[in-house]
Amino acid sequence: AQKVTQAQTEISVVEKEDVTLDCVYETRDTTYYLFWYKQPPSGELVFLIRRNSFDEQNEISGRYSWNFQKSTSSFNFTITASQVVDSAVYFCALSEALVGTYKYIFGTGTRLKVLA
Amino acid sequence: DGGITQSPKYLFRKEGQNVTLSCEQNLNHDAMYWYRQDPGQGLRLIYYSQIVNDFQKGDIAEGYSVSREKKESFPLTVTSAQKNPTAFYLCATAGFGNTEAFFGQGTRLTVV
Repeated sequence: AQKVTQAQTEISVVEKEDVTLDCVYETRDTTYYLFWYKQPPSGELVFLIRRNSFDEQNEISGRYSWNFQKSTSSFNFTITASQVVDSAVYFCALSEALVGTYKYIFGTGTRLKVLA
Repeated sequence: DGGITQSPKYLFRKEGQNVTLSCEQNLNHDAMYWYRQDPGQGLRLIYYSQIVNDFQKGDIAEGYSVSREKKESFPLTVTSAQKNPTAFYLCATAGFGNTEAFFGQGTRLTVV
């Protein structure tokens, strides 16, 4: 069965610290996609990144970076030099194709608090 | 504006009442989804639809119903059979080819 685990329920850091959010997934498929979303207090989920199962290259976008390791079924997210505006709930998600329909399975989220 | 519109933003329901949450999109996406969010439980899939006039149950469909009469619209009805409906409901859409899902701003439903 597909499953996404975000073991860190809440993390607090002081501004400018680096922080890594962990994501571990389970799937039987060889083709799948992984995602990270940010949910600010307003509630709407904001897409951050998509990674397919055949691309294990790490990605960096500004202060954000992602480390995808198939060997450990992990897709971790690092924020460098955190800022107060990074405070939000972050969700990791897995998508598999089911005869053309894609289901998105979400983890329970990690609440990040960045203190000034 | 392009995107997904959920309404209302806040909804109050009395015990025993059915209520309908609206989700409209103008992204021309085929797939639409309803998720429920409770504190500490992440997002759980209620129903999803890939094409008009077709939809599938998700993990927690009991007490909910949907329809997909138009590509743009995927309303969710929370029936009186749903015993604990107080939650934050999110509608999402996705285009062809396992793209990322796009989300609406959500509806917060409270039973009073």
